Amino acid sequence: EPEVTQTPSHQVTQMGQEVILRCVPISNHLYFYWYRQILGQKVEFLVSFYNNEISEKSEIFDDQFSVERPDGSNFTLKIRSTKLEDSAMYFCASSEGGARGQPQHFGDGTRLSIL
Amino acid sequence: AQSVTQPDIHITVSEGASLELRCNYSYGATPYLFWYVQSPGQGLQLLLKYFSGDTLVQGIKGFEAEFKRSQSSFNLRKPSVHWSDAAEYFCAVKTDKLIFGTGTRLQVFP
Repeated sequence: EPEVTQTPSHQVTQMGQEVILRCVPISNHLYFYWYRQILGQKVEFLVSFYNNEISEKSEIFDDQFSVERPDGSNFTLKIRSTKLEDSAMYFCASSEGGARGQPQHFGDGTRLSIL
Repeated sequence: AQSVTQPDIHITVSEGASLELRCNYSYGATPYLFWYVQSPGQGLQLLLKYFSGDTLVQGIKGFEAEFKRSQSSFNLRKPSVHWSDAAEYFCAVKTDKLIFGTGTRLQVFP
């Protein structure tokens, strides 16, 4: 069964550095998402992406964050000038369509640790 | 505002016992509801979904969930729990994004 893959599984970065989290969505999916889960808290929506542009973003997704689909397969989340509070599990998801009934398929996540 | 509440943070059951995980939602229109499971160190796996039709939906791994509009609930059930079911379970409502509950951690004793 096709799946969403994320790399790396764990990223350790010094505060203030830039980090890029990578995702390969399921190949025929057109909608892409990033979520994050701070330890012990709920999974929170960050951003959705379709047709090479952001469809929606949450309050969390400020100027520090950006997303890109640099080629036909990868979907990246860049965090500039990381802060301690950016430490979290980051999940990428994709769906075939954007309708509400379309399920989102998640990757295994990247654990980001900011020191 | 849309929201999902999972009242039970942690549930412990014996292997073979029945299970019910509670989920209540707040959403103005017809809700699209999902249950996901997260095993340790892994991502979110879709267990089942509901958006219309029969209010009792069947999912993978022997799970089912019942949508009750009058109670704004979408509780997850399994008649006989296996040790491998130990995980974190998330209920979610979908608008154009998923809004998750805080999760219920299930522990299974042999």
